[in-house]
Parts: sequence; C-alpha cells; structure tokens
Amino acid sequence: AQSVSQHNHHVILSEAASLELGCNYSYGGTVNLFWYVQYPGQHLQLLLKYFSGDPLVKGIKGFEAEFIKSKFSFNLRKPSVQWSDTAEYFCAVILLRTGANNLFFGTGTRLTVIP
Amino acid sequence: DGGITQSPKYLFRKEGQNVTLSCEQNLNHDAMYWYRQDPGQGLRLIYYSQIVNDFQKGDIAEGYSVSREKKESFPLTVTSAQKNPTAFYLCASSINRGLHNEQFFGPGTRLTVL
Repeated sequence: AQSVSQHNHHVILSEAASLELGCNYSYGGTVNLFWYVQYPGQHLQLLLKYFSGDPLVKGIKGFEAEFIKSKFSFNLRKPSVQWSDTAEYFCAVILLRTGANNLFFGTGTRLTVIP
Repeated sequence: DGGITQSPKYLFRKEGQNVTLSCEQNLNHDAMYWYRQDPGQGLRLIYYSQIVNDFQKGDIAEGYSVSREKKESFPLTVTSAQKNPTAFYLCASSINRGLHNEQFFGPGTRLTVL
C-alpha cells in the first residue's frame, strides 16, 4: 500500500531559525511531489512541486525542497523562518501508474513561529 | 476574479439528514475533486470527476454522492449513510487529469452534524 508520511506533527520555532519538515512516501515507481501550505483562514495553496529534472526545487516565499529518490523523501526547507510562515504544511504525492493520477496527502505538519 | 468558491463556509445539520455542499469554479478546468480533511489525517479523496457527466469514487466514497452536470459545478451530497460526517470538506480543480497538473483548492466548508 502506498502512503505519505510526515513525522513532525507540530513544530515550534523562533523567528530566523532554520526549518526542515520531513516527507517520505512508500512507492517504488515514478512520482510527482508537492508541498501545499494552509495559512490560518486561507485556501490550501501550492508552495512548490517536483516532476522531473533538478531534484532541488525552489518554491515561493523562500521555500525549497529536495527530492532524494534513494530515500523516498521530499523534505521541505527554509533557511530562516518568519512569523508569517505560521501555517499547516502538507506533502502530497501523485503515483504515476496507469489509470490513476490521484493525489495522496500526508497528515500535515503544523508550524508555529514565535516572534 | 478566477477561482473556486464553496458555500456555505459553515453548515450545521441534524443527524439523519442529507446535506449538499456547493463547489463552483470559473477556471475552465475539466477535472474537479472533493476531499475530506480531519485533524491528524490530512486530506482524503472522496470523489473526482474528469469531465462533465463522469465521476469516479475516491478512497472514502461510502456515504457520499456527487453529480457533474455542468463543467463549473461539482456538488457533494453527504448522505445519512455517512457514519462520521462532521469534517472540513475541500473542493479542488485542475486543468485536466494529466500528470503534471496542479490542483487548486477552494476555501472549504466545515460541516457539523449534531
């Protein structure tokens, strides 16, 4: 069975600290990978995505993620967080196989940034 | 202003009643989706539609029904058969069901069954 794991349920950081949120998936085939963010009271929106090519992907607001195929991971990073980064972050995966291009979500990581 | 609208934002219903959640998009997207979001469980796919008059079950379709009579509309009915209907429901759309298409999300409807 395929799944997406986000092991950090709630992360609390001070402003200017560095951030890394873990995301692992369990599927041996080709994948498309996404990070979505849900700011308080706002729509879920796309932070960044990986389809192919350079495994280091840059997204909006200074976020980046690295696809490490051998580790089945797609961790999200930001060198210096701001209070406005307080939100819930979801990793999501599309498993590229015949007949199904559904998006599977992780359980989410809530990030609280303390000013 | 293009986007996805869901109404209402909050919905309360008595147990045993069916309820229909609205989702409209003006992005001219072919594909639409319904997800359920529960605390600690992320988003789970209920139904999706690739094109008008076609829809498919997702991972947790039991107790739900949908219709896709118009391209811009994909309403979700939560029936009395759904054992645990209280949740946050998110609608999404994408250009089509091709491999490299981002899904865009609506603001969600929080359903509480009393």
